[in-house]
Amino acid sequence: DVKVTQSSRYLVKRTGEKVFLECVQDMDHENMFWYRQDPGLGLRLIYFSYDVKMKEKGDIPEGYSVSREKKERFSLILESASTNQTSMYLCASTSGTATANTGELFFGEGSRLTVL
Amino acid sequence: LAKTTQPISMDSYEGQEVNITCSHNNIATNDYITWYQQFPSQGPRFIIQGYKTKVTNEVASLFIPADRKSSTLSLPRVSLSDTAVYYCLVGDGIGNGGFKTIFGAGTRLFVKA
Repeated sequence: DVKVTQSSRYLVKRTGEKVFLECVQDMDHENMFWYRQDPGLGLRLIYFSYDVKMKEKGDIPEGYSVSREKKERFSLILESASTNQTSMYLCASTSGTATANTGELFFGEGSRLTVL
Repeated sequence: LAKTTQPISMDSYEGQEVNITCSHNNIATNDYITWYQQFPSQGPRFIIQGYKTKVTNEVASLFIPADRKSSTLSLPRVSLSDTAVYYCLVGDGIGNGGFKTIFGAGTRLFVKA
């Protein structure tokens, strides 16, 4: 059974802390994504990666960075957490390189981050 | 980038057919239309994808008119377990311009007994 695993389901951090959210997929997918989900706003793309050590900004990259040192692992980093980064964070992966369709995105269960 | 517009919420009863329409007026030639389902505290799950006309699988049908400016997800004979948020996405995947697939706010479907 294919799987995208996010390391923490729930986290509580304080303003200014550095936060790492880890995501691992076991499907040998080239492409990995980080979204945040907020009520009424749907899912918004933060960063994505189409290959090891490659990254591209999504729609809302400010305040975030990412790391992809291995194909199966994609990390989201909040260098200095702020209260407006309290959200649900979702990791996803999909196969393929440049394609003419979206391909099926496989999502993790999500990491709910609260910044106090 | 093609944005999508969906109803915020819909109510239905068990056994009814539910149709959720999504508008995407700026859809590009290479864009596909994809629908996802999300239950509380879970990540979205792929339902169906299409480019034009009609696509059907074991859980849903997707109707896309010739101008492709809208699409309709059809769920036959819904049950209580179909209560979820449904997202319509439009995009062309990963290419030279980056990942151009956008999630809208979704439609919250509530199925009543």
